[in-house]
Amino acid sequence: GAVVSQHPSWVICKSGTSVKIECRSLDFQATTMFWYRQFPKQSLMLMATSNEGSKATYEQGVEKDKFLINHASLTLSTLTVTSAHPEDSSFYICSAKGDYSYEQYFGPGTRLTVT
Amino acid sequence: GQNIDQPTEMTATEGAIVQINCTYQTSGFNGLFWYQQHAGEAPTFLSYNVLDGLEEKGRFSSFLSRSKGYSYLLLKELQMKDSASYLCAAPERTGGFKTIFGAGTRLFVKA
Repeated sequence: GAVVSQHPSWVICKSGTSVKIECRSLDFQATTMFWYRQFPKQSLMLMATSNEGSKATYEQGVEKDKFLINHASLTLSTLTVTSAHPEDSSFYICSAKGDYSYEQYFGPGTRLTVT
Repeated sequence: GQNIDQPTEMTATEGAIVQINCTYQTSGFNGLFWYQQHAGEAPTFLSYNVLDGLEEKGRFSSFLSRSKGYSYLLLKELQMKDSASYLCAAPERTGGFKTIFGAGTRLFVKA
């Protein structure tokens, strides 16, 4: 099956700093990528959908100026958490989808801890 | 609107069979997914149903009834490693594309 990687797998940062998370599709072209956030014992919450070469579409309640998403190529999308605060600590998961299938392929996730 | 309902938690015994139900309401129908998610890990694909009926894949089977807006995941010969959350999900295409996820069913397999 298709492989999606995420980097870093975990990160600890200080409050007020910014953190960038990369999501890469390794063996297919991902026309659409999704960013999810998941708090302990809760389900996936879609943050935004990004299509290659265009601006991301954010879900209601997600601050686009705080969570910057760039999908510059068919294999790479990045999520930057700006001015991170402890309440941003969460498990961030990306997924990627090609043109010809509804299936999403998930990355392994990034655990962010803001101190 | 879109809505996916599944039980919050279930407990079953090692070696037994468990059925996890899911009811859905979506704008249009583009199939139904089941994912498995272990704690601290990303979801992994289990099945995708588009047509009515039962699809079997090893110890896991998935059933779909489009007329009833209903699906279930059947796990046979339960193993301790099957303890995980099971997510029911439906793709939606309204303007853009996204997948609606249920809240997940946490399955505990006991010895």
